Amino acid sequence: GQNIDQPTEMTATEGAIVQINCTYQTSGFNGLFWYQQHAGEAPTFLSYNVLDGLEEKGRFSSFLSRSKGYSYLLLKELQMKDSASYLCAVRGLSTDKLIFGTGTRLQVFP
Amino acid sequence: SQTIHQWPATLVQPVGSPLSLECTVEGTSNPNLYWYRQAAGRGLQLLFYSVGIGQISSEVPQNLSASRPQDRQFILSSKKLLLSDSGFYLCAWSGAGGTNEQFFGPGTRLTVL
Repeated sequence: GQNIDQPTEMTATEGAIVQINCTYQTSGFNGLFWYQQHAGEAPTFLSYNVLDGLEEKGRFSSFLSRSKGYSYLLLKELQMKDSASYLCAVRGLSTDKLIFGTGTRLQVFP
Repeated sequence: SQTIHQWPATLVQPVGSPLSLECTVEGTSNPNLYWYRQAAGRGLQLLFYSVGIGQISSEVPQNLSASRPQDRQFILSSKKLLLSDSGFYLCAWSGAGGTNEQFFGPGTRLTVL
């Protein structure tokens, strides 16, 4: 079967660092995506990992370990506007389809 | 640049009524197109997937259908809506090559009463 797990909710303080984990079990792997989704809005693309290691993009970084079926999204210098849901998605082999996790709702407090 | 449009933005329909949601993409050709549904507090569920005109893959059994009459147009339909069809419907597109990430439209919030 195919399964993607993320924590349901997380809270953090403005200016802090937060790590959102994602574990996956899929039949084949060809990339992992992170999306940000504000309430009532469409998801927007944040990052993509296909090889092991860390990808950094400004305040956001994403890490992948294919052997462990594990990824995390790291958000630094948190801002109030970072309060949103963060969706982990995996693409299988020979397909452009994505399998999404249920998302992690992050609340940033002042 | 590429843009994706969906309409309507919100819709309230009675049970048993028909449905037609439209999605169009601009600025790209031969995109892969997707319809997702997101129920309250739940993840994105892929409903339909299309790699070209007239080519539709259905991912889950349901009373919905999809059509792709033109290269950049994707339509989601139902003949008779159920209460369980309520949700946030998102259309997305992706291109070929590269990271091939999916880009989402603004979504349609459907409430079936």
